[in-house]
Amino acid sequence: GAGVSQSPSNKVTEKGKDVELRCDPISGHTALYWYRQSLGQGLEFLIYFQGNSAPDKSGLPSDRFSAERTGGSVSTLTIQRTQQEDSAVYLCASSLAPSADTQYFGPGTRLTVL
Amino acid sequence: KQEVTQIPAALSVPEGENLVLNCSFTDSAIYNLQWFRQDPGKGLTSLLLIQSSQREQTSGRLNASLDKSSGRSTLYIAASQPGDSATYLCAVKSGGSYIPTFGRGTSLIVHP
Repeated sequence: GAGVSQSPSNKVTEKGKDVELRCDPISGHTALYWYRQSLGQGLEFLIYFQGNSAPDKSGLPSDRFSAERTGGSVSTLTIQRTQQEDSAVYLCASSLAPSADTQYFGPGTRLTVL
Repeated sequence: KQEVTQIPAALSVPEGENLVLNCSFTDSAIYNLQWFRQDPGKGLTSLLLIQSSQREQTSGRLNASLDKSSGRSTLYIAASQPGDSATYLCAVKSGGSYIPTFGRGTSLIVHP
């Protein structure tokens, strides 16, 4: 079946604008993760969903960042009033169950804030 | 708090060499450990997943081992090829948390 997909693949925006990033997980996967990868940095955890609820939002860097997941499937990460330091690749991953299963990653969205 | 370290940070080898990438972690109470590869500008591709009860996993030319007591995992790549050039990351999912902790990766270049 299809893997994890993300859209857009690239997004260039101006400082101060809001952006929405979308993730379509593998069908049937209950766990969904958002990460951020900045140039030369490791993967930074942002938020984790189990079904539609987010038991762990501890990685969201500020209140400008929010995410939701509807129908236990598609997730949207929203960044309000973007700043230049938000520029990064945003990666989404899903797994069948949260504990012991393989994580499958999407190709990422490269966000550039001018 | 779990910490994951990967050594070396970068590695360049000639084609055909067998090589070992290292991953160490500080908390041995883990659910599993997963090895990924990441090609430039791409997402992560899962290579091998080792559950906490397992000692090793093999896929083709790749073999990953896990020693929980010493907090170490190794990824062995046999007969390396230029197509193996990528960044290799390990991720540890600890007991009590569903959030994996990633290492910074080892950047591998295999030259012809």
